[in-house]
Amino acid sequence: AQTVTQSQPEMSVQEAETVTLSCTYDTSESDYYLFWYKQPPSRQMILVIRQEAYKQQNATENRFSVNFQKAAKSFSLKISDSQLGDAAMYFCAYRVIQGAQKLVFGQGTRLTINP
Amino acid sequence: DAGVIQSPRHEVTEMGQEVTLRCKPISGHDYLFWYRQTMMRGLELLIYFNNNVPIDDSGMPEDRFSAKMPNASFSTLKIQPSEPRDSAVYFCASSLTGQGEVGAFFGQGTRLTVV
Repeated sequence: AQTVTQSQPEMSVQEAETVTLSCTYDTSESDYYLFWYKQPPSRQMILVIRQEAYKQQNATENRFSVNFQKAAKSFSLKISDSQLGDAAMYFCAYRVIQGAQKLVFGQGTRLTINP
Repeated sequence: DAGVIQSPRHEVTEMGQEVTLRCKPISGHDYLFWYRQTMMRGLELLIYFNNNVPIDDSGMPEDRFSAKMPNASFSTLKIQPSEPRDSAVYFCASSLTGQGEVGAFFGQGTRLTVV
């Protein structure tokens, strides 16, 4: 069974600094997607960034980037120039490309931004 | 499209009562997921449907939980009888085959409190 692990229940960073959130996963599949979702206090689940496993190039979306290490099954999220609005729960998620379309989530990391 | 719509947003009920949570997926989406979010267990997949048919209900905690999808635009999650340990945020999400790269679209969630 696929599992996703986020080993950092909480993280904090100073405003304008850079922070990295960790995620590891376990799967026997070769083709899959990985996602980072942001959940602010409003509870809305917001897709931040995604990575296709067959792509070697790390995905980037403005201040958000990932470090995808397929062999190590690692998928970390880097937030540069942290802003107060980045404070939220962040969830790492996994989905196979072929077959069951369910999203498997990690436990989440609560990110606090210190002004 | 209005997105995934869940009702109610908040529900407070007494132990032993029946609770019904409702979800309207995005029109045209063929997958529907029910997730439960707690501090201890993060986001757990309870059940998901494809074309209104339940595909995997292995995450349903026990017989007190049941889910139905009578048509493509409506699903319910019912808890009977409810217990305090069922207190959580319940999310409904939907997605479309062939668009796995965008993850899933989530509703605002229902916060359930069982007293």
